[in-house]
Amino acid sequence: AAGVIQSPRHLIKEKRETATLKCYPIPRHDTVYWYQQGPGQDPQFLISFYEKMQSDKGSIPDRFSAQQFSDYHSELNMSSLELGDSALYFCASSERLAGVDEQFFGPGTRLTVL
Amino acid sequence: EDQVTQSPEALRLQEGESSSLNCSYTVSGLRGLFWYRQDPGKGPEFLFTLYSAGEEKEKERLKATLTKKESFLHITAPKPEDSATYLCAVQSHVSGYSTLTFGKGTMLLVSP
Repeated sequence: AAGVIQSPRHLIKEKRETATLKCYPIPRHDTVYWYQQGPGQDPQFLISFYEKMQSDKGSIPDRFSAQQFSDYHSELNMSSLELGDSALYFCASSERLAGVDEQFFGPGTRLTVL
Repeated sequence: EDQVTQSPEALRLQEGESSSLNCSYTVSGLRGLFWYRQDPGKGPEFLFTLYSAGEEKEKERLKATLTKKESFLHITAPKPEDSATYLCAVQSHVSGYSTLTFGKGTMLLVSP
C-alpha cells in the first residue's frame, strides 16, 4: 500500500538559512499534518491543512510557514533557522472527509542545523 | 489542556514474557485514543484506534483496551521484533480535529 512520502530524508543547514520540507500524502487523503519531534521527545503538532486550507495550528513558530497545493502535497518552509530547530519533522495524512481519524505518518525528514 | 502520561518509561522483557503498557489520559471530550509504534529514526506506525470505554482491539500479539481514564496495551508472548517505542495519543472534540496529544512513550526492549 502507498504510504506518505517525505523529502528530503536528511537535510543539513547553517544557522539563519532557510529550508523547505515536502510531503506527499497517501492517495485520496485530503488532510495533511506536520509534527516536530526533538531527540527523546514525543511528536509535537505544528499545523494541518484540510482540502488546501489551513485547518488547525499548533506550536508552529512564526518563522515557519506551510501550505497545501492543488495536488494535496504540502510544503513546510522554515526560515532563520536556529540550532533548536534540529529535529525530526514528520508529515502525516488522513482521509478526513471519509470520517477516518487515523493519521498515517511518513518516514520523516531529519533536519540538522549547524 | 489535554494530557497523556505513559508508564513505564522503559520496559525490558524476556522473549515470551507477557506484560502491559499503561496510558493515562485527561482530555475534554475524548474523540479517540490512538496507539502507535515507533522504531528509532522512523515515523510512528499506526496500531489501533479506540473510541469508547470497554472497547478492545487486537492485532497479532498486541491487544489494546480502553477505560474512561486509561488505556492498556497488552503484549502477549513478545518477540525481539516487538522492541520499539510505543506511543499513545489522544484526540479531543475540544482541541480540534487535527491535534494529537502524545505521551512520552514506553520504550520496550525484548531480549531473546
